[in-house]
Amino acid sequence: QSLLTQPPSASGTPGQSVTISCSGTASNIGNSLVNWYQQFPGTAPKLLIFNDLQRPSGVPDRFSGSKSGTSASLVIRDLQIEDEADYYCAAWDDSLRRPVFGGGTTVSVL
Amino acid sequence: QVQLVQSGAELKKPGASVKVSCKTSGYDFTANYIHWVRQAPGQGLEWVAMINPATGGTYSAQSLQGRVTLTRDSPTTTLYMELSSLRSDDAAVYYCARASNVATSGFDFWGQGTLVAVSS
Repeated sequence: QSLLTQPPSASGTPGQSVTISCSGTASNIGNSLVNWYQQFPGTAPKLLIFNDLQRPSGVPDRFSGSKSGTSASLVIRDLQIEDEADYYCAAWDDSLRRPVFGGGTTVSVL
Repeated sequence: QVQLVQSGAELKKPGASVKVSCKTSGYDFTANYIHWVRQAPGQGLEWVAMINPATGGTYSAQSLQGRVTLTRDSPTTTLYMELSSLRSDDAAVYYCARASNVATSGFDFWGQGTLVAVSS
C-alpha cells in the first residue's frame, strides 16, 4: 500500500486539461518537496516536476505542479496523445527517513 | 552527459542472491546520492535503498529486513545492489536513480532498469 494516495486513472480528450491529485501526511508532503515522474510502458521513469512546481529543462510548460498543505497536484494542460503514461508523485518522508511514492495514475487520452 | 547504465537481466532461484550494477558517467561520482527503486510487474514504484557514493554510507527499506547490500567502486564509478535470500515477490525491474541535489531530492537521471526474475 502506497503512502501517498493517487487516483488509479484519469482521462481526457485532446486539448482538455487533466488534474492528478496526490495526498500525503505532515511527515511527507506537508514537510517536504514533491516530485512527479512520468513513465511510459517498458521504460524508466522520467522526472517531470521537482520541488513542487519546477520543470526540468525540456519538459513542456503544459505540465505544472502545485502543493497545498499535505496534498499536491499535477495538471496537464492541452492534453496530447503522447501524454498517455503513468504518473507518480513522490516526496521525502521525515518519519520514515526515505522517499515515498504514490501508487501511480494512468492517464488515458480518449 | 549524465548516464546510468545497468547490468542485464537476471534469473535466480528462490533463496539465491542477485547483484545488479549501475555504471555512472558524466558527472562527479561523489556529488550525488544514488537510490535504488524497484517495480514489480504491473505495480508502482517502491524505494529500496540509497547510498552516499562519497562515504559509502547506506540506508535501506525496513521491509527488506536487512537483505539488501549497497556498495560502490569509486575508480570505476559503479554502484552495486545485492539482494539476498530472494523470494518470488522480489521479482521486479530494479532501477538506480541519481538524486539531483541532496539525498532527499528528486531523481533526475535513471538507469534503464534491470529485470530480476525469481523462479525455481
